[in-house]
Amino acid sequence: GENVEQHPSTLSVQEGDSAVIKCTYSDSASNYFPWYKQELGKGPQLIIDIRSNVGEKKDQRIAVTLNKTAKHFSLHITETQPEDSAVYFCAASGPGGSYIPTFGRGTSLIVHP
Amino acid sequence: DGGITQSPKYLFRKEGQNVTLSCEQNLNHDAMYWYRQDPGQGLRLIYYSQIVNDFQKGDIAEGYSVSREKKESFPLTVTSAQKNPTAFYLCASSSNRNTEAFFGQGTRLTVV
Repeated sequence: GENVEQHPSTLSVQEGDSAVIKCTYSDSASNYFPWYKQELGKGPQLIIDIRSNVGEKKDQRIAVTLNKTAKHFSLHITETQPEDSAVYFCAASGPGGSYIPTFGRGTSLIVHP
Repeated sequence: DGGITQSPKYLFRKEGQNVTLSCEQNLNHDAMYWYRQDPGQGLRLIYYSQIVNDFQKGDIAEGYSVSREKKESFPLTVTSAQKNPTAFYLCASSSNRNTEAFFGQGTRLTVV
């Protein structure tokens, strides 16, 4: 089955800095890669996603890049703000795993004012 | 408003008791999932269902059971066979293959 590794587990930055979270996946058939943000005591919410026919996608301060050859994808947050503090999860899914999303272990992002 | 609702938000269980966590969605989604979240462990799949009256075991199904009698509902029962049930449980749904998963607000289960 699919295996998703996510790094780092904790990331601490100053307000205004950029933050990068990286994930690798094992199943070359995976073709959908969403990122979720989870605030304390709540369920995760999708913030951005990318499909395997695209190398990069941006939405305001967040962007995701995908390298299919290397089987890794990354989340980039620019100009971080304190409200960006949360746990971020990457996931991967595709026909190899019945399209069920497999999640990374999460990254706790702390943005210091 | 469309969404996915989990209840209760907090649940306390005595050892040896079964408890059922509720998950209801009005998004007309075919697929529904149950995940368990422990600190540092990420989201681990317990059970999933891709169509009514059918469900499959995930990676950590032992000690849990589910049913999918209606499209809108996917309750999870934590049985006494689950040795370490204290955790945060998340239910999710999605409309189709390889699309966004919508999560409920979670149920925090504590064994007392």
